[in-house]
Amino acid sequence: KQEVTQIPAALSVPEGENLVLNCSFTDSAIYNLQWFRQDPGKGLTSLLLIQSSQREQTSGRLNASLDKSSGRSTLYIAASQPGDSATYLCAVSQETSGSRLTFGEGTQLTVNP
Amino acid sequence: GAVVSQHPSRVICKSGTSVKIECRSLDFQATTMFWYRQFPKKSLMLMATSNEGSKATYEQGVEKDKFLINHASLTLSTLTVTSAHPEDSSFYICSARDAGFGTDTQYFGPGTRLTVL
Repeated sequence: KQEVTQIPAALSVPEGENLVLNCSFTDSAIYNLQWFRQDPGKGLTSLLLIQSSQREQTSGRLNASLDKSSGRSTLYIAASQPGDSATYLCAVSQETSGSRLTFGEGTQLTVNP
Repeated sequence: GAVVSQHPSRVICKSGTSVKIECRSLDFQATTMFWYRQFPKKSLMLMATSNEGSKATYEQGVEKDKFLINHASLTLSTLTVTSAHPEDSSFYICSARDAGFGTDTQYFGPGTRLTVL
């Protein structure tokens, strides 16, 4: 059974700092990995999707990397802003089932002005 | 990106009543939709996979008679929480799979906050 773990559970940083969020998964036979953002009481916004054959994806100040063999992914946020404050969720899709997602418990990020 | 809506966004009901939550894909057809449940400060747990025109597939430990799922059209899936109790209070999120030509992406709804008194 796939298990996804995110470290740290919570993170508080001053505005402008670069930061890294970590995600690990136990079964390396994944189809893809996604990073989502969730604001309090809201649904999910997809940030980046990395296919299993890819090593990284970038969107603006966000960069996600994937090391499938070691079961790890990182989300790098450059020059953090207060508007980045949210919970960031990592989710993997298994090869055999296509789009079913297994989520980590998330990292709650607070960027202080 | 594609849009998925959920209705209602928030519902409060008395214990013992049934509550229906709708999930709609607004600009694409979704043969598959997923229903997730999220407890406070916890991750999303997949409850069931909803397939248009056939029975839903429930995850282990999810009572199918408690959480009725109907996927009657390519743009609508409903989750009915029957005889709701306070322990059913949670945030329910649906997603719809867009597996059209050249794509295979899941889009999430904004969620429904259910509070059972």
